[in-house]
Amino acid sequence: QVQLQESGPGLVKPPETLSLTCTVSGGSISSFTYYWSWIRQPPGKGLECIGYIYYGGSTNYNPSLKSRVTISLDTSKNQFSLKLSSVTAADTAVYYCARMYTSGWIDYWGQGTLVTVSS
Amino acid sequence: DIQMTQSPSSLSASVGDRVTITCRASQGISNYLAWFHQKPGKAPKSLIYAASSLQSGVPSKFSGSGSGTEFTLTISSLQPEDFATYYCQQYSSYPYTFGQGTKLEIK
Repeated sequence: QVQLQESGPGLVKPPETLSLTCTVSGGSISSFTYYWSWIRQPPGKGLECIGYIYYGGSTNYNPSLKSRVTISLDTSKNQFSLKLSSVTAADTAVYYCARMYTSGWIDYWGQGTLVTVSS
Repeated sequence: DIQMTQSPSSLSASVGDRVTITCRASQGISNYLAWFHQKPGKAPKSLIYAASSLQSGVPSKFSGSGSGTEFTLTISSLQPEDFATYYCQQYSSYPYTFGQGTKLEIK
Protein backbone atom coordinates (compact mmCIF):
# COMPACT_ATOMS: atom_id res chain seq x y z
CA GLN A 1 0.00 0.00 0.00
CA VAL A 2 1.48 3.30 -1.10
CA GLN A 3 1.55 6.03 1.53
CA LEU A 4 2.62 9.65 1.33
CA GLN A 5 3.37 11.82 4.33
CA GLU A 6 4.01 15.54 4.34
CA SER A 7 6.39 17.11 6.85
CA GLY A 8 7.69 20.57 7.57
CA PRO A 9 7.14 23.68 9.67
CA GLY A 10 3.56 24.54 10.48
CA LEU A 11 4.32 28.24 10.80
CA VAL A 12 6.26 30.40 8.36
CA LYS A 13 6.90 34.12 8.57
CA PRO A 14 6.38 36.40 5.62
CA PRO A 15 8.30 36.88 3.35
CA GLU A 16 10.31 33.73 4.10
CA THR A 17 10.34 30.46 2.14
CA LEU A 18 7.92 27.65 2.88
CA SER A 19 9.61 24.24 2.70
CA LEU A 20 7.82 20.90 2.81
CA THR A 21 8.90 17.32 2.20
CA CYS A 22 6.82 14.36 1.14
CA THR A 23 8.06 10.91 2.12
CA VAL A 24 6.78 8.07 -0.03
CA SER A 25 6.53 4.53 1.32
CA GLY A 26 5.28 1.35 -0.31
CA GLY A 27 6.52 2.42 -3.73
CA SER A 28 9.49 4.02 -5.42
CA ILE A 29 9.58 7.58 -6.71
CA SER A 30 12.12 6.37 -9.29
CA SER A 31 9.37 5.51 -11.73
CA PHE A 32 8.49 6.87 -15.15
CA THR A 33 4.83 6.03 -14.53
CA TYR A 34 4.07 8.85 -12.15
CA TYR A 35 4.33 12.53 -11.50
CA TRP A 36 4.92 13.64 -7.92
CA SER A 37 2.62 16.49 -7.16
CA TRP A 38 1.84 19.24 -4.66
CA ILE A 39 -1.67 20.61 -4.15
CA ARG A 40 -2.97 23.06 -1.59
CA GLN A 41 -6.26 24.17 -0.09
CA PRO A 42 -6.57 27.52 1.71
CA PRO A 43 -9.04 27.54 4.60
CA GLY A 44 -12.58 27.66 3.27
CA LYS A 45 -11.41 27.66 -0.34
CA GLY A 46 -10.91 25.19 -3.14
CA LEU A 47 -8.08 22.88 -4.08
CA GLU A 48 -5.26 24.33 -6.20
CA CYS A 49 -2.51 22.50 -8.08
CA ILE A 50 0.93 23.89 -7.27
CA GLY A 51 3.08 21.76 -9.55
CA TYR A 52 4.67 18.40 -10.13
CA ILE A 53 7.97 16.72 -10.90
CA TYR A 54 8.78 13.72 -13.02
CA TYR A 55 11.46 11.12 -12.27
CA GLY A 56 13.33 12.29 -15.34
CA GLY A 57 13.67 15.68 -13.61
CA SER A 58 11.21 17.76 -15.59
CA THR A 59 8.76 19.95 -13.73
CA ASN A 60 5.51 21.73 -14.43
CA TYR A 61 4.23 24.54 -12.25
CA ASN A 62 0.93 26.37 -12.01
CA PRO A 63 1.55 29.64 -13.88
CA SER A 64 -0.01 31.57 -10.99
CA LEU A 65 2.78 30.36 -8.68
CA LYS A 66 5.56 29.55 -11.12
CA SER A 67 7.85 32.45 -10.18
CA ARG A 68 7.94 31.31 -6.53
CA VAL A 69 7.86 27.50 -6.70
CA THR A 70 10.57 24.87 -6.82
CA ILE A 71 9.84 21.13 -6.63
CA SER A 72 12.69 18.64 -6.37
CA LEU A 73 13.28 14.90 -5.94
CA ASP A 74 15.57 13.03 -3.57
CA THR A 75 15.61 9.47 -4.85
CA SER A 76 18.04 8.30 -2.15
CA LYS A 77 15.42 9.11 0.49
CA ASN A 78 12.35 8.38 -1.65
CA GLN A 79 11.18 11.92 -1.02
CA PHE A 80 10.18 14.98 -2.98
CA SER A 81 10.07 18.54 -1.76
CA LEU A 82 8.32 21.85 -2.25
CA LYS A 83 9.77 25.30 -1.78
CA LEU A 84 7.54 28.36 -2.06
CA SER A 85 9.34 31.66 -1.70
CA SER A 86 8.21 35.12 -0.59
CA VAL A 87 5.15 33.80 1.21
CA THR A 88 2.25 35.96 2.34
CA ALA A 89 -0.86 35.24 4.39
CA ALA A 90 -2.54 34.16 1.14
CA ASP A 91 -0.25 31.11 1.13
CA THR A 92 -1.80 29.81 4.36
CA ALA A 93 -3.28 26.46 3.40
CA VAL A 94 -3.34 22.73 3.90
CA TYR A 95 -0.62 21.39 1.62
CA TYR A 96 -1.00 17.92 0.13
CA CYS A 97 1.48 15.78 -1.71
CA ALA A 98 0.13 13.24 -4.16
CA ARG A 99 1.13 10.58 -6.64
CA MET A 100 -0.27 11.28 -10.06
CA TYR A 101 -0.23 9.10 -13.14
CA THR A 102 1.38 10.79 -16.13
CA SER A 103 -2.11 10.92 -17.64
CA GLY A 104 -3.00 13.30 -14.81
CA TRP A 105 -5.20 11.48 -12.35
CA ILE A 106 -4.20 11.09 -8.73
CA ASP A 107 -4.27 7.68 -7.12
CA TYR A 108 -2.71 8.41 -3.74
CA TRP A 109 -2.69 11.48 -1.53
CA GLY A 110 -0.97 12.42 1.68
CA GLN A 111 -3.26 13.47 4.50
CA GLY A 112 -2.10 17.07 4.28
CA THR A 113 -0.30 19.49 6.55
CA LEU A 114 -1.49 22.94 7.59
CA VAL A 115 0.99 25.72 7.00
CA THR A 116 0.16 29.10 8.47
CA VAL A 117 1.93 32.21 7.24
CA SER A 118 2.04 34.79 9.99
CA SER A 119 4.54 37.09 11.62
CA ASP B 1 -7.89 27.60 -16.46
CA ILE B 2 -10.82 25.21 -16.80
CA GLN B 3 -13.51 25.87 -14.20
CA MET B 4 -15.20 22.88 -12.57
CA THR B 5 -18.61 23.36 -10.97
CA GLN B 6 -20.17 20.75 -8.75
CA SER B 7 -23.78 20.49 -7.68
CA PRO B 8 -25.18 20.33 -5.18
CA SER B 9 -22.76 21.89 -2.69
CA SER B 10 -24.27 19.79 0.06
CA LEU B 11 -26.55 16.82 0.14
CA SER B 12 -28.42 15.14 2.95
CA ALA B 13 -29.28 11.47 2.56
CA SER B 14 -30.08 8.36 4.56
CA VAL B 15 -28.28 5.05 4.86
CA GLY B 16 -29.40 2.88 1.97
CA ASP B 17 -30.18 5.79 -0.35
CA ARG B 18 -28.80 6.31 -3.84
CA VAL B 19 -27.38 9.74 -4.62
CA THR B 20 -25.99 11.51 -7.67
CA ILE B 21 -23.49 14.38 -7.80
CA THR B 22 -22.93 16.44 -10.93
CA CYS B 23 -19.74 18.08 -12.15
CA ARG B 24 -19.65 20.50 -15.09
CA ALA B 25 -16.56 21.74 -16.91
CA SER B 26 -16.30 25.20 -18.44
CA GLN B 27 -15.00 23.62 -21.64
CA GLY B 28 -14.81 20.15 -23.07
CA ILE B 29 -12.42 17.80 -21.29
CA SER B 30 -13.25 14.53 -23.06
CA ASN B 31 -13.21 11.91 -20.30
CA TYR B 32 -10.28 13.35 -18.34
CA LEU B 33 -12.26 13.50 -15.13
CA ALA B 34 -11.59 11.96 -11.74
CA TRP B 35 -13.62 11.71 -8.54
CA PHE B 36 -12.35 11.38 -5.00
CA HIS B 37 -13.70 11.80 -1.51
CA GLN B 38 -12.30 13.13 1.73
CA LYS B 39 -13.13 12.75 5.38
CA PRO B 40 -12.00 15.32 7.97
CA GLY B 41 -8.34 14.90 8.87
CA LYS B 42 -7.86 12.05 6.43
CA ALA B 43 -6.09 11.77 3.10
CA PRO B 44 -8.36 12.19 0.09
CA LYS B 45 -9.18 8.85 -1.51
CA SER B 46 -9.37 8.23 -5.24
CA LEU B 47 -12.60 6.66 -6.48
CA ILE B 48 -12.90 7.01 -10.25
CA TYR B 49 -10.67 8.07 -13.14
CA ALA B 50 -11.30 8.50 -16.86
CA ALA B 51 -14.84 9.53 -15.93
CA SER B 52 -16.08 5.98 -15.37
CA SER B 53 -13.17 3.68 -14.45
CA LEU B 54 -13.15 2.44 -10.89
CA GLN B 55 -9.91 2.79 -8.97
CA SER B 56 -8.60 -0.55 -7.74
CA GLY B 57 -10.26 -1.63 -4.51
CA VAL B 58 -13.18 0.80 -4.77
CA PRO B 59 -16.56 -0.94 -4.44
CA SER B 60 -18.87 -1.10 -7.43
CA LYS B 61 -21.49 0.93 -5.57
CA PHE B 62 -19.59 3.91 -6.95
CA SER B 63 -20.11 4.68 -10.62
CA GLY B 64 -19.23 7.55 -12.87
CA SER B 65 -20.42 8.67 -16.25
CA GLY B 66 -20.19 11.53 -18.70
CA SER B 67 -17.96 13.05 -21.32
CA GLY B 68 -17.22 16.49 -22.64
CA THR B 69 -18.54 18.98 -20.12
CA GLU B 70 -21.02 17.10 -17.93
CA PHE B 71 -20.27 14.27 -15.54
CA THR B 72 -22.00 12.42 -12.74
CA LEU B 73 -20.97 10.35 -9.77
CA THR B 74 -23.58 7.97 -8.42
CA ILE B 75 -23.33 6.19 -5.10
CA SER B 76 -25.80 3.43 -4.44
CA SER B 77 -26.85 1.94 -1.12
CA LEU B 78 -25.18 4.57 1.07
CA GLN B 79 -23.37 3.29 4.11
CA PRO B 80 -22.12 5.33 7.08
CA GLU B 81 -18.54 5.27 5.74
CA ASP B 82 -19.68 6.98 2.51
CA PHE B 83 -20.58 10.24 4.23
CA ALA B 84 -17.76 12.57 3.24
CA THR B 85 -16.97 15.44 0.90
CA TYR B 86 -16.74 14.49 -2.78
CA TYR B 87 -14.66 16.31 -5.37
CA CYS B 88 -14.23 16.12 -9.11
CA GLN B 89 -10.96 16.98 -10.86
CA GLN B 90 -10.21 17.60 -14.50
CA TYR B 91 -6.89 16.52 -15.91
CA SER B 92 -7.37 17.57 -19.50
CA SER B 93 -5.10 20.59 -19.27
CA TYR B 94 -2.70 21.89 -16.65
CA PRO B 95 -3.21 23.43 -14.19
CA TYR B 96 -5.58 20.63 -13.32
CA THR B 97 -8.56 22.03 -11.47
CA PHE B 98 -11.09 20.81 -8.97
CA GLY B 99 -14.74 21.25 -8.20
CA GLN B 100 -15.56 23.04 -4.98
CA GLY B 101 -16.79 19.87 -3.32
CA THR B 102 -20.10 18.28 -2.37
CA LYS B 103 -20.59 17.53 1.31
CA LEU B 104 -22.66 14.38 1.75
CA GLU B 105 -24.27 14.29 5.17
CA ILE B 106 -26.43 11.81 7.02
CA LYS B 107 -30.09 12.80 7.20
